[in-house]
Amino acid sequence: SQQGEEDPQALSIQEGENATMNCSYKTSINNLQWYRQNSGRGLVHLILIRSNEREKHSGRLRVTLDTSKKSSSLLITASRAADTASYFCATDAEWDQGGSEKLVFGKGTKLTVNP
Amino acid sequence: DGGITQSPKYLFRKEGQNVTLSCEQNLNHDAMYWYRQDPGQGLRLIYYSQIVNDFQKGDIAEGYSVSREKKESFPLTVTSAQKNPTAFYLCASSIVRRSNQPQHFGDGTRLSIL
Repeated sequence: SQQGEEDPQALSIQEGENATMNCSYKTSINNLQWYRQNSGRGLVHLILIRSNEREKHSGRLRVTLDTSKKSSSLLITASRAADTASYFCATDAEWDQGGSEKLVFGKGTKLTVNP
Repeated sequence: DGGITQSPKYLFRKEGQNVTLSCEQNLNHDAMYWYRQDPGQGLRLIYYSQIVNDFQKGDIAEGYSVSREKKESFPLTVTSAQKNPTAFYLCASSIVRRSNQPQHFGDGTRLSIL
């Protein structure tokens, strides 16, 4: 399966520390997306990074992509209690029977930021 | 504000009963999706629709059915043929069905068996 796999499965840090989550995938991709899910809520899109990009920033978020290692990382700097959530990567490069690209989600990293 | 509305938030199903989950969007998106999320798991695609009056099976369509009669609406029916329906169901939409488009999600419906 093309499914991205996040690592670690769970991460617990103190407020103010940085949090790094990783996503590995198996075959070449065109795009990789990161999403956040608060407990009992839907997913919220954070960042999309294309295969020809190495790094993207959005506020306190930094995403890197290393296509040679087939991996991506999401860094949250100066974390806050409100960052407590599960974080998912989603990768493409799978195709359905109709010839459309599929977005496949990993199982997520559960981040807990302690006040 | 534009967004996706799922209802109800909680739903209980009796044995042999079909139940329908509602999903409405006012983002003017062409593509809509239904996902199933089990505890500690990622999202699995049930059905998707790229345009009105068209929909396709995803990876786990058995025991589910959908319709797309209006651009704004994509209801999901969990039929009695779905033997393990207890899960968190998420509806999403995107401008078009391409991997370079972010998906926008509703806040989900949690379905349980009575």
